[in-house]
Amino acid sequence: DGGITQSPKYLFRKEGQNVTLSCEQNLNHDAMYWYRQDPGQGLRLIYYSQIVNDFQKGDIAEGYSVSREKKESFPLTVTSAQKNPTAFYLCASTRNAENYGYTFGSGTRLTVV
Amino acid sequence: AQSVTQPDIHITVSEGASLELRCNYSYGATPYLFWYVQSPGQGLQLLLKYFSGDTLVQGIKGFEAEFKRSQSSFNLRKPSVHWSDAAEYFCAVGRQAGTALIFGKGTTLSVSS
Repeated sequence: DGGITQSPKYLFRKEGQNVTLSCEQNLNHDAMYWYRQDPGQGLRLIYYSQIVNDFQKGDIAEGYSVSREKKESFPLTVTSAQKNPTAFYLCASTRNAENYGYTFGSGTRLTVV
Repeated sequence: AQSVTQPDIHITVSEGASLELRCNYSYGATPYLFWYVQSPGQGLQLLLKYFSGDTLVQGIKGFEAEFKRSQSSFNLRKPSVHWSDAAEYFCAVGRQAGTALIFGKGTTLSVSS
């Protein structure tokens, strides 16, 4: 079955360390998105990409980086510049030509230790 | 700029009672509107969507929503709530196909027996 896979489900980061969250989809979707979720804050957009080798910053891009080398993959790196990285991270995808809503992954919970 | 407001942070409903979750949006033209549901520690699942046409839309799990342009609202309703409906609900607005959605901060639904 087609879907969107995020890994790992839980991730622990030490202070000053970079970590990369994986997001892979086999839905042949064009656009992919990263959101951060904190309690009571809803979902806030970090980065998004509508085509391969191109991406745009969202509302809270500082301290994060992404790449889009393949249509299926959109990894997110949380750098040491992100001062408060502990959160739930959600990846989503959709077709560009249509807007039937996103398909979401099951999320990665990142904790700084 | 687009925005979404969910005025109720937390709602408790008795099992079998009706439910209405409120959503107000700010956008100049007719937006794409969505409702999503999230169980704890999981990704988001699409309940229903509105793009154009009939202002009353039906979704999965017995949910419906009504688009009211004059009130800039897209409220979610269910005639009889089940205990399994307890979750967090998010309203979202989009500008056009493939663009990033803006999410509200969510409403947590508790169901009492």
